[in-house]
Amino acid sequence: DAMVIQNPRYQVTQFGKPVTLSCSQTLNHNVMYWYQQKSSQAPKLLFHYYDKDFNNEADTPDNFQSRRPNTSFCFLDIRSPGLGDAAMYLCATSRKPPGQGGYEQFFGPGTRLTVL
Amino acid sequence: AQSVSQHNHHVILSEAASLELGCNYSYGGTVNLFWYVQYPGQHLQLLLKYFSGDPLVKGIKGFEAEFIKSKFSFNLRKPSVQWSDTAEYFCAVNNYGQNFVFGPGTRLSVLP
Repeated sequence: DAMVIQNPRYQVTQFGKPVTLSCSQTLNHNVMYWYQQKSSQAPKLLFHYYDKDFNNEADTPDNFQSRRPNTSFCFLDIRSPGLGDAAMYLCATSRKPPGQGGYEQFFGPGTRLTVL
Repeated sequence: AQSVSQHNHHVILSEAASLELGCNYSYGGTVNLFWYVQYPGQHLQLLLKYFSGDPLVKGIKGFEAEFIKSKFSFNLRKPSVQWSDTAEYFCAVNNYGQNFVFGPGTRLSVLP
């Protein structure tokens, strides 16, 4: 089945220690997104890639970076995690980019990040 | 910027009760509307979507939603809930030129 895969499902890191979360997709979608979701809150968009074009949300901290080496993979790098960065990180994909409308997003299972 | 509000933070129902979860959005132009569900420990799944056409949309698992343009609403309904419907429900909106915007979510607890 075509899907969005996130690894690992659970990640523990130490305060200030860089961490990378990964996402892969078999849907061959052009757009990949990273969201942060804290407990009982709506997902908050961090950034997205439309093909190789990177689009950062205005309020995404510089601590968060992303890489998309190819269509299938996208990485979220947190350079110096703080306690406030503990959250569920969701990867999503869509066929069309923001700006065209009429598309749905497909979500991965998420990676729960704990910062000690 | 567009915003999405959901009327209830937490809804508690008994099995077989009817469900209606409210969703309102702020954008006045053409919108695409979605309801996503997140079961405990699972990923967000699409319940149903509205792009155009019949404003009454049928989704999976017996859910439906009605788009009322004049009220900027897209309420989710189910005539008879089951314990397995216990989950978090998110309304989302996107339109041309904008990203998805999610509402804050409504937690539904169904008592057996």
